[in-house]
Amino acid sequence: EIVLTQSPGTLSLSPGERATLSCRASQSVSNNYLAWYQQKPGQAPRLLIYGASSRATGIPDRFSGSGSGTDFTLTISRLEPEDFAVYYCQQYDSSPLYTFGQGTKLEIK
Amino acid sequence: EVQLVESGGGLVQPGGSLRLSCAASGFTFSSNWMHWVRQAPGKGPVWVSRINSDGSSTSYADSVKGRFTISRDNAKNTLYLQMNSLRAEDTAVYYCARKGPGTGTFDPWGQGTLVTVSS
Repeated sequence: EIVLTQSPGTLSLSPGERATLSCRASQSVSNNYLAWYQQKPGQAPRLLIYGASSRATGIPDRFSGSGSGTDFTLTISRLEPEDFAVYYCQQYDSSPLYTFGQGTKLEIK
Repeated sequence: EVQLVESGGGLVQPGGSLRLSCAASGFTFSSNWMHWVRQAPGKGPVWVSRINSDGSSTSYADSVKGRFTISRDNAKNTLYLQMNSLRAEDTAVYYCARKGPGTGTFDPWGQGTLVTVSS
């Protein structure tokens, strides 16, 4: 099983600032089969990024993903008030044993 | 608009059973693989099960194998999860999700249904 470790656990930033979230895999994720999701309180997760760097339909271009192998990053270029949420990475390399990270909470400073 | 609406959750005693349903609309249900993903309170999501478009192939997480059964009725645009021999650790919000882009993603998700296993 591929274990995903996200850091930091909590990130405190202000609107307008840049956010950088990290996801590290316990073994290499082939073909960049890595996705990112956003979850707000009381809501289901929403797909943001797949294939490590491709934005899902309707996702603003302030969200970008990068990385390969075992280290991946989600960057939000300029935080909007609606971006404060919990973010999860997910790997789909070891299909069907898909796994998620434990999440990074992005909170308003 | 793509919609997934789960139902069937509730309180059940350890060892009991529940059947969850997920009603799909706004897309061609019969052409899409579907998944169940669960999330315990305060924890990250955990993949549970998947089924291919015609229901001929299924997969399960080790934690539910032999206890849960995924199925679908393409005529009714509905996905199911039969859960037997429930344990306290099965307590979670259960989401159905359509297979998304990139082969192994989940997009979109339903709003979820809460299953609580407790005596």
